[in-house]
Amino acid sequence: LAKTTQPVSMDSYEGQEVNITCSHNNIATNDYITWYQQFPSQGPRFIIQGYKTKVTNEVASLFIPADRKSSTLSLPRVSLSDTAVYYCLVGLDTGRRALTFGSGTRLQVQP
Amino acid sequence: ETGVTQTPRHLVMGMTNKKSLKCEQHLGHNAMYWYKQSAKKPLELMFVYNFKEQTENNSVPSRFSPECPNSSHLFLHLHTLQPEDSALYLCASSLPGEGTTEAFFGQGTRLTVV
Repeated sequence: LAKTTQPVSMDSYEGQEVNITCSHNNIATNDYITWYQQFPSQGPRFIIQGYKTKVTNEVASLFIPADRKSSTLSLPRVSLSDTAVYYCLVGLDTGRRALTFGSGTRLQVQP
Repeated sequence: ETGVTQTPRHLVMGMTNKKSLKCEQHLGHNAMYWYKQSAKKPLELMFVYNFKEQTENNSVPSRFSPECPNSSHLFLHLHTLQPEDSALYLCASSLPGEGTTEAFFGQGTRLTVV
């Protein structure tokens, strides 16, 4: 499974755009890039998934360069409720080996 | 509400007790997982089941015993636990296949071993 590297923590203010970058140099051809959000004492929640180029949904955007060795999760106009840990995962769910979570990025949004 | 339900939400047990955690999903998923999350640590994968067959056991001590009677239910039987086993235990399910990596997590069971 491809190893991922992301910043341990980030700080932001309400209304700002937050970009969290994840490095995954050993990504395999079939791997997808997935981001999860986790609030304290809750299970992680799927945010967005992509394979290449750009993906956007109602919550976030995911930018993936052509070489796919990194990806950037973009959260537009964050609010206090976006304070959470964000995990970048790389792999493919085959049902025989679960996706592995790294340490994640702890985002703190301040007023 | 993710469609994955875990019970109980909180559990306090002594080191000599036997208890079970339950996870249930009716999303049509055929893969189910147990994860452990200790305070301020990443999620640790414990077990993976696919179509009721255990496909991964991540070197988990035998005091944790999983059971998957069908694709909708997953149990984690606990016995003679240690205080360091206190953690948030999370169940997840997914529908494996090409082009998807979305797992649905339950709210977790907060376990305290005294």
